[in-house]
Amino acid sequence: GESVGLHLPTLSVQEGDNSIINCAYSNSASDYFIWYKQESGKGPQFIIDIRSNMDKRQGQRVTVLLNKTVKHLSLQIAATQPGDSAVYFCAERSMAAGNKLTFGGGTRVLVKP
Amino acid sequence: EADIYQTPRYLVIGTGKKITLECSQTMGHDKMYWYQQDPGMELHLIHYSYGVNSTEKGDLSSESTVSRIRTEHFPLTLESARPSHTSQYLCASSKTGSNSPLHFGNGTRLTVT
Repeated sequence: GESVGLHLPTLSVQEGDNSIINCAYSNSASDYFIWYKQESGKGPQFIIDIRSNMDKRQGQRVTVLLNKTVKHLSLQIAATQPGDSAVYFCAERSMAAGNKLTFGGGTRVLVKP
Repeated sequence: EADIYQTPRYLVIGTGKKITLECSQTMGHDKMYWYQQDPGMELHLIHYSYGVNSTEKGDLSSESTVSRIRTEHFPLTLESARPSHTSQYLCASSKTGSNSPLHFGNGTRLTVT
């Protein structure tokens, strides 16, 4: 129930500051990664993706960094806004695993005014 | 915003009832998916389809079934609902191609009493 969701890792950030959300993945054969944002009562919304042949990709106010050596993915949000408050999920895909998307546990971001 | 629709948004039903969760997309995507998600937790794939008349079971065992008679429609059916089926069910679709992000609907929150 809802009490399980409250145990999500939570990042509290001041409005205007930068946020960094981290994700560790386990499958070294994963070749495609996606970050999703999920607001309360909604489905996950695509933010940005990156292929394994890249180590950085930038979007509008967001940057994804991929470190394949340590199997680590991060999402950086610049100038965090109240509308950025949500749960963020990383997901990985591996052709060896049938090209299916595997989601990690989420991180809740709370933006303080 | 992705054009993928799920109905109903909320459903409270008694044990033993048969239910069908509807999912439709207007993007012409070949691939469609059903995920199960407890509040704030990671998403687990329960069914997917790569096209009409194609259905596969996902990573999480589920007592539900799916059908794909039309490209745009991917309903999920529970023949006999149980309290353990209480969860959020998210439908998604994607283009053909290994590096295409999933677009999600807003989910159906199912409660079985």
